[in-house]
Amino acid sequence: NAGVTQTPKFQVLKTGQSMTLQCAQDMNHNSMYWYRQDPGMGLRLIYYSASEGTTDKGEVPNGYNVSRLNKREFSLRLESAAPSQTSVYFCASTTSVYTGELFFGEGSRLTVL
Amino acid sequence: SQKIEQNSEALNIQEGKTATLTCNYTNYSPAYLQWYRQDPGRGPVFLLLIRENEKEKRKERLKVTFDTTLKQSLFHITASQPADSATYLCALGGDSSYKLIFGSGTRLLVRP
Repeated sequence: NAGVTQTPKFQVLKTGQSMTLQCAQDMNHNSMYWYRQDPGMGLRLIYYSASEGTTDKGEVPNGYNVSRLNKREFSLRLESAAPSQTSVYFCASTTSVYTGELFFGEGSRLTVL
Repeated sequence: SQKIEQNSEALNIQEGKTATLTCNYTNYSPAYLQWYRQDPGRGPVFLLLIRENEKEKRKERLKVTFDTTLKQSLFHITASQPADSATYLCALGGDSSYKLIFGSGTRLLVRP
């Protein structure tokens, strides 16, 4: 069972470069999320998609864009990477936005030089 | 603003003892609270959910309490094992929001 799959696992970018983090889930979940995790700060929500065709900003959306390509896939794009975006990014999905447990991917470690 | 506090210092205990982790929160009235386990280099894994009208929830060696008056949840692992060593995150959810708010986690080290 694949669950939530993220690519790439590691990426190094130069300031100003762009890239897209890919996420796919095979659990037929309606809702998908992108978080970033920084030391001592916990997981912070960047964007979420409550259902296919909808996306909404989370706590820290600046500098990011998302696309809910279909029910399975939810991508995160950095248009012009900045060193402050160096972080570990996690994609997650759930059946219920109200109380459902989140299923997380293994994370994508991004370094911006 | 909403704030969740988990002890940033690692909890170091002997195998077989009960580990107790704390999650405190302010300026929030969560409808439910979740606990996750995170191993180094991995994504968080869901463990337990407890709702605001529940005082206690158990699952195998895990027990969670939720005191909405104290604004605190306690997470207990009984008969702890070295394999329980990980970081444990609490997360609060409200019925008016899609968004879970996560604490920064507490690292648990269980010595053999």
